[in-house]
Amino acid sequence: GIQVEQSPPDLILQEGANSTLRCNFSDSVNNLQWFHQNPWGQLINLFYIPSGTKQNGRLSATTVATERYSLLYISSSQTTDSGVYFCAPLNDYKLSFGAGTTVTVRA
Amino acid sequence: NAGVTQTPKFQVLKTGQSMTLQCAQDMNHNSMYWYRQDPGMGLRLIYYSASEGTTDKGEVPNGYNVSRLNKREFSLRLESAAPSQTSVYFCASSVGTPYTGELFFGEGSRLTVL
Repeated sequence: GIQVEQSPPDLILQEGANSTLRCNFSDSVNNLQWFHQNPWGQLINLFYIPSGTKQNGRLSATTVATERYSLLYISSSQTTDSGVYFCAPLNDYKLSFGAGTTVTVRA
Repeated sequence: NAGVTQTPKFQVLKTGQSMTLQCAQDMNHNSMYWYRQDPGMGLRLIYYSASEGTTDKGEVPNGYNVSRLNKREFSLRLESAAPSQTSVYFCASSVGTPYTGELFFGEGSRLTVL
């Protein structure tokens, strides 16, 4: 199956800082989703982004399917951004989750 | 607007006991899924259902059964719980055929098997 690698595994930010999370995948994909799991365990869909760039407030995501990667940008980070960010590319009708990037935003 | 609702939120079982996790969605979604999340393993698909009356195995189906009771409800049953089934279980749904739209998750059910 497809291999999904997220980097960095851990990220500590000062409130207000910007950051980029990366998701590499080993095969062609039909679509890709980004999720945020907050410290209480709730999983929230951030982006459904098979290709191109989307923005939602302080977050934006870019997927370059031909080069097999996706990026999630967090700008002006806030403490509520803390949690684990997962990317999940869809390949051969199977959604594969990466191991996640744990983000800690300090006030 | 409840979205995806799972019950129970927490459960402790003894080895060999059975239980059913219930999931209901109010978004009129066709596809529903059960995942488990374990430390260091990410989320793994147990079973999914493309429509009422149909179910298909995912990555880790052994030890589980599912039932798509109607369009809204998708239950996961452990017939004889084992410690290896200690995990956090998530139900999810999406519009249309499997994975053609965004995935919406329930709040999770934390299961401990002693």
